[in-house]
Amino acid sequence: RKEVEQDPGPFNVPEGATVAFNCTYSNSASQSFFWYRQDCRKEPKLLMSVYSSGNEDGRFTAQLNRASQYISLLIRDSKLSDSATYLCVVNIDNYGQNFVFGPGTRLSVLP
Amino acid sequence: EAQVTQNPRYLITVTGKKLTVTCSQNMNHEYMSWYRQDPGLGLRQIYYSMNVEVTDKGDVPEGYKVSRKEKRNFPLILESPSPNQTSLYFCASSFRRDRLLVGGYTFGSGTRLTVV
Repeated sequence: RKEVEQDPGPFNVPEGATVAFNCTYSNSASQSFFWYRQDCRKEPKLLMSVYSSGNEDGRFTAQLNRASQYISLLIRDSKLSDSATYLCVVNIDNYGQNFVFGPGTRLSVLP
Repeated sequence: EAQVTQNPRYLITVTGKKLTVTCSQNMNHEYMSWYRQDPGLGLRQIYYSMNVEVTDKGDVPEGYKVSRKEKRNFPLILESPSPNQTSLYFCASSFRRDRLLVGGYTFGSGTRLTVV
């Protein structure tokens, strides 16, 4: 089983739709969690950290369920500019090789 | 501006010709790392460095070398590049507190390497 798994995608949604991505992780030593956004051929950029209590940043909401070992990202009122690949990243207490990346889920928002 | 700077952005080279991809960060981060990204394989860690003079292998270190003589710089060296090293490379850095990384990664803009 892979350490971090994500919805395979791609997700094709119309503008204005609400879309949710899920991510599961296998290592119970995972300490912190992030969602990154990557545009085609560009570097990944931090979208938001994920906290146990859940957190919201504008149209984006991230949630963490430690018991079930999954993380989610909800995008409301999706825009064309949200089209990208979304990477789930897990920070584990493993000396050196701390960040484990999921394979990513591609989102295309259609006009 | 806080950033990770990689150079060059694009590079085409021939098999066997040694090359170096530079990486520099201005955030005083202890931790630096190199990744390669290939279609269908995601981001794979090549090497990482916990601090100056401390480096270690990631998941795919074969064919690569690194050094960390100064905190801000972490060059990636391909002594004898081969076509299977054609890839998109990213350098990244982060703060470290004890064994954990804090606050996520900052990535460089990437280096697209083609080995013919």
